[in-house]
Amino acid sequence: EAGVAQSPRYKIIEKRQSVAFWCNPISGHATLYWYQQILGQGPKLLIQFQNNGVVDDSQLPKDRFSAERLKGVDSTLKIQPAKLEDSAVYLCASSYRTSGLTDTQYFGPGTRLTVL
Amino acid sequence: AQSVSQHNHHVILSEAASLELGCNYSYGGTVNLFWYVQYPGQHLQLLLKYFSGDPLVKGIKGFEAEFIKSKFSFNLRKPSVQWSDTAEYFCAVNARTGGFKTIFGAGTRLFVKA
Repeated sequence: EAGVAQSPRYKIIEKRQSVAFWCNPISGHATLYWYQQILGQGPKLLIQFQNNGVVDDSQLPKDRFSAERLKGVDSTLKIQPAKLEDSAVYLCASSYRTSGLTDTQYFGPGTRLTVL
Repeated sequence: AQSVSQHNHHVILSEAASLELGCNYSYGGTVNLFWYVQYPGQHLQLLLKYFSGDPLVKGIKGFEAEFIKSKFSFNLRKPSVQWSDTAEYFCAVNARTGGFKTIFGAGTRLFVKA
């Protein structure tokens, strides 16, 4: 079974530039998550999709971050414009369950973003 | 605010020593509890989980965790660690009262000396 794929693995940009991350979840997984993991901290949920609908985006800085999951499969997360404090690893995860309490999440390798 | 606390940020042990990593959460009601592990250079992966039933759950590689509802705790244990257990360990909680949002602890970095 193929795992969660993410690209790029690394990205270095200057502040005020834009950046986009891509995620392909495990086939058949209805729920997709984007997390931000700042060095020394645990992952923080940014947005959760169920199929192509948003379940939770309460911690997504909507003035600069956006995400979409077209057709309920792949997803992209965009930052525009980036700030220094956005430097982090962005993790994508997916799970099979479609409602209620979360089941096991399967994580991708992450994208390490450095904002200079 | 609802939170997940991991008591130790860094732990150093010698091989064969026993391990216990603490995890406490502040949610009430029904919860799903997880321990995830990230080995050096690898993805976050599930170590074990508790949804219901026997509060003592066993995971991969000899790890186990005990859910104590009255203490809001889900501590991870292993009787004898190996060098290959060097990794970062994250406790995570998913609760109805938290809007089904998974909250992760800050993680514990474990280093096992050979």
